[in-house]
Amino acid sequence: GAVVSQHPSWVICKSGTSVKIECRSLDFQATTMFWYRQFPKQSLMLMATSNEGSKATYEQGVEKDKFLINHASLTLSTLTVTSAHPEDSSFYICSVAPPSGIGDTQYFGPGTRLTVL
Amino acid sequence: GESVGLHLPTLSVQEGDNSIINCAYSNSASDYFIWYKQESGKGPQFIIDIRSNMDKRQGQRVTVLLNKTVKHLSLQIAATQPGDSAVYFCAEILTGGGNKLTFGTGTQLKVEL
Repeated sequence: GAVVSQHPSWVICKSGTSVKIECRSLDFQATTMFWYRQFPKQSLMLMATSNEGSKATYEQGVEKDKFLINHASLTLSTLTVTSAHPEDSSFYICSVAPPSGIGDTQYFGPGTRLTVL
Repeated sequence: GESVGLHLPTLSVQEGDNSIINCAYSNSASDYFIWYKQESGKGPQFIIDIRSNMDKRQGQRVTVLLNKTVKHLSLQIAATQPGDSAVYFCAEILTGGGNKLTFGTGTQLKVEL
């Protein structure tokens, strides 16, 4: 499968600060990346679709001004959690969709554990 | 056995036995289905996929069955090993609909020695 990296793998921050998480596609150029959030013992919930060169598409209930997504290149998407609060503590995972014609599955990064104190 | 509430459903099997993990999907229009394995603290890992024009697909030690009539998907793992212990998620996609994955609730597989 495709290799997807995330940085950092874990981060602890104080309430009110902002945290940036990077997602990189190492095997192919990705015009589309996805950001998920996963709380303990729960499934993955799609937060937004990151589109290279255009605005991200957010799922219902996800605050776009709080979770800023930038997909400035074909191999990098970033998620910034602004003014983080303890309830934002979660496991954030990105995925990459391969270019059209290669397949429909998504390849996931290793995740970033965010803890807000 | 299974547990409910805030805990993931759990399937406990003996090493060497076969495991069957079930999933009910929600959208009858979904045309592509994937099983993922997620180990603790890691991202989901692709196991096997199946398209809606098929009802069975086999991989190495794994088989996926699709019953579109009742919107049911199952993952069979043969000769379950300790390394198979993880949470397993099914996911569905409506291709052409933005390729957004919708995940099921997940099942915790515990392999007992």
